[in-house]
Amino acid sequence: SAVISQKPSRDICQRGTSLTIQCQVDSQVTMMFWYRQQPGQSLTLIATANQGSEATYESGFVIDKFPISRPNLTFSTLTVSNMSPEDSSIYLCSVLGQGYGYTFGSGTRLTVV
Amino acid sequence: GEDVEQSLFLSVREGDSSVINCTYTDSSSTYLYWYKQEPGAGLQLLTYIFSNMDMKQDQRLTVLLNKKDKHLSLRIADTQTGDSAIYFCADPGALDSSYKLIFGSGTRLLVRP
Repeated sequence: SAVISQKPSRDICQRGTSLTIQCQVDSQVTMMFWYRQQPGQSLTLIATANQGSEATYESGFVIDKFPISRPNLTFSTLTVSNMSPEDSSIYLCSVLGQGYGYTFGSGTRLTVV
Repeated sequence: GEDVEQSLFLSVREGDSSVINCTYTDSSSTYLYWYKQEPGAGLQLLTYIFSNMDMKQDQRLTVLLNKKDKHLSLRIADTQTGDSAIYFCADPGALDSSYKLIFGSGTRLLVRP
């Protein structure tokens, strides 16, 4: 299965600032996803990152708040913009690789103060 | 839309069997997943089952699928303290859909020594 390197693993940020999270995959993948896991909650899909086109956002998530880049088939970034304490969560990238498995990065634990 | 539900908490004694249950609503699901999340970690794929199967066994793990009732279960035999974690079932829906995973709320498994 694909191996994902997600950075940073954690960060503490001031409200009003932005943080960009990177996801690097060791193989080319078509499908790449970004999830949010709020404290004590399940995973919620933010968007599907599409190579060469705009990301597809789920209801409740907008591009201005969570801009996503996907410049090639092995890399994507998620930016959390104009952060507030409510954005404190774990953010995870995921890929659908060969076969049937969805692989997840180790996550970025974000705390906004 | 699709929905996946799980019980929130399960406590078992070390050495006993654990059974974690999940129900889903999407009748077009082609396969279903079980993921494990340990504290402070990302998601680890434990196992998956195709929708045309009713059982899959992998060492200490047994997955049972009742497609008529849309019920999925994960049985862990000889549960160990290292099995303490949150377990998520996840449904990607039909193969020709958006490929996005819908997660259950997660079941927190506590293994008592």
